[in-house]
Amino acid sequence: DAGVIQSPRHEVTEMGQEVTLRCKPISGHNSLFWYRQTMMRGLELLIYFNNNVPIDDSGMPEDRFSAKMPNASFSTLKIQPSEPRDSAVYFCASSLAGVNYGYTFGSGTRLTVV
Amino acid sequence: AQRVTQPEKLLSVFKGAPVELKCNYSYSGSPELFWYVQYSRQRLQLLLRHISRESIKGFTADLNKGETSFHLKKPFAQEEDSAMYYCALAPSGGYQKVTFGTGTKLQVIP
Repeated sequence: DAGVIQSPRHEVTEMGQEVTLRCKPISGHNSLFWYRQTMMRGLELLIYFNNNVPIDDSGMPEDRFSAKMPNASFSTLKIQPSEPRDSAVYFCASSLAGVNYGYTFGSGTRLTVV
Repeated sequence: AQRVTQPEKLLSVFKGAPVELKCNYSYSGSPELFWYVQYSRQRLQLLLRHISRESIKGFTADLNKGETSFHLKKPFAQEEDSAMYYCALAPSGGYQKVTFGTGTKLQVIP
């Protein structure tokens, strides 16, 4: 298994543009998490899914942020419109719900909004 | 509510010196605790879990329920240990909404 796969690795976009981040979890994992990492706030949980269903999106900062998981092998995090303060590294992680072996993280997407 | 506190943003030690990265937690139930490590510009990786009582790369961590702590220790620091370390807490079983601490940067001085 190639692990959790995120794309793109780097994204530079202009303020106001739509940004879509993608994640492919580990096959067989049924929980998926989106985190944002910044120097100021550390790791923040944005949203997590269990069996493709959003369980808790209380960490999503604004309506500009949305996330979907149309099937067990794919999730997207969309920011529309993007703002400079959205610049961060966005991590996706997956795990097997109910079994606390810990998360497996993707390599992250470094987003820069200019 | 669950909370994880890592009081030190930066910890600098000399190579060969002992290391202790502090972690305290707040949780009303019986938590599961983890340490994650992030080397420069890499993904976060699970380092160890308290339930497995394992030693990884010479690191150990003991859950102290009385002090609500889960400090990470290593007797002799190596240069390759330099990284960000995150303590994390999850409720036992069920959905894994893990709460991370703010992280401690460990700098091992040659």
